[in-house]
Amino acid sequence: NAGVMQNPRHLVRRRGQEARLRCSPMKGHSHVYWYRQLPEEGLKFMVYLQKENIIDESGMPKERFSAEFPKEGPSILRIQQVVRGDSAAYFCASSAWVPEAFFGQGTRLTVV
Amino acid sequence: EDKVVQSPLSLVVHEGDTVTLNCSYEVTNFRSLLWYKQEKKAPTFLFMLTSSGIEKKSGRLSSILDKKELFSILNITATQTGDSAVYLCAVEPNSGYSTLTFGKGTMLLVSP
Repeated sequence: NAGVMQNPRHLVRRRGQEARLRCSPMKGHSHVYWYRQLPEEGLKFMVYLQKENIIDESGMPKERFSAEFPKEGPSILRIQQVVRGDSAAYFCASSAWVPEAFFGQGTRLTVV
Repeated sequence: EDKVVQSPLSLVVHEGDTVTLNCSYEVTNFRSLLWYKQEKKAPTFLFMLTSSGIEKKSGRLSSILDKKELFSILNITATQTGDSAVYLCAVEPNSGYSTLTFGKGTMLLVSP
């Protein structure tokens, strides 16, 4: 049973480009959470999704950021027109019924 | 707003020492407190605590929760270099799904 899979592991984007981060939850998990970790900071909740539904996006910036979890395929976190301040590690976690979430390896986004 | 404060922020010990990591929290509606170990990649789940006074133990690691005083400690006995990591504490509100509020972490370095 593979764990939570995120890709790419590293992503470099120029300012103004779009970044697309992918997350495939553990088999059997239908809940996906995205967290962002800035340098020297703790993980910050961004968005919680179930299949085809956004349940809670209270932690996600209102502009340029969007997330989806389609019926088929991975969850996608999209950042449009990236800026330097978007540079961070983005972690995805998945869970079934239990509260503890299993985290992916993360995508390290660098905006140059 | 939920808040988690971990101390110390960093710690250097010698192999064989015992360490205690602290986590205090404020959360509107508490459900559980979780500890994770992060070694430059995915946070790895260690413990979930929901009840006061009941120690959770796994090998050389143990943790306990005090819901009255709103804190938890993570103990590591007979430390090894492989224990070097950032230890994250997170609280889960009783909101029906697990969006976690994380502390900034304690960076532990165990020197040989």
